[in-house]
Amino acid sequence: AQKITQTQPGMFVQEKEAVTLDCTYDTSDPSYGLFWYKQPSSGEMIFLIYQGSYDQQNATEGRYSLNFQKARKSANLVISASQLGDSAMYFCAMREDNSGNTPLVFGKGTRLSVIA
Amino acid sequence: DTAVSQTPKYLVTQMGNDKSIKCEQNLGHDTMYWYKQDSKKFLKIMFSYNNKELIINETVPNRFSPKSPDKAHLNLHINSLELGDSAVYFCASSPLYGRAGNEQFFGPGTRLTVL
Repeated sequence: AQKITQTQPGMFVQEKEAVTLDCTYDTSDPSYGLFWYKQPSSGEMIFLIYQGSYDQQNATEGRYSLNFQKARKSANLVISASQLGDSAMYFCAMREDNSGNTPLVFGKGTRLSVIA
Repeated sequence: DTAVSQTPKYLVTQMGNDKSIKCEQNLGHDTMYWYKQDSKKFLKIMFSYNNKELIINETVPNRFSPKSPDKAHLNLHINSLELGDSAVYFCASSPLYGRAGNEQFFGPGTRLTVL
């Protein structure tokens, strides 16, 4: 069974607009972490934001915020004021048993294109 | 100051050859990983090492053999390369202890092309 689902293979957004990238997850572990990574065309994996399953507030990092809805098992990434440099693949990932050495399980990614 | 480095960045080789990819991290992390990203961009864990000890081995053909000479290095050796091995291989590391949600730091990736 797929643990991380990203239903949007591709998204377009106008520059300076906000965009939401969807992510739902499946786990029975009470302790887990949710991560978003960005992969530009150059190929590197860039960490964006983290949300822990016990965190009461939604995580924010600059223009990135994570809309965490635990009951719905969703962890959507919101990018505000999109920039051309935001065009990239975005991956949602989860780590169960939220310890330091558990590997990440990734979704299939969403390709975001920002239009001028 | 590169945190996680991989060599080579690109690797083009013939089917049947044996090749190695090297990974080094200077972050003092205890745990290192190999992930494979296929042509559809899907990332999947292959191996996980904690302090030189193999702790996770996903269903990977035994042609793939990781080796960790010390906790800062994790190499991946691939025997008898096949066309389906063409992919981008990412090394990553994370600390064992510390705050929950320790991010994994990824290397730049090695693009392997098997002809």
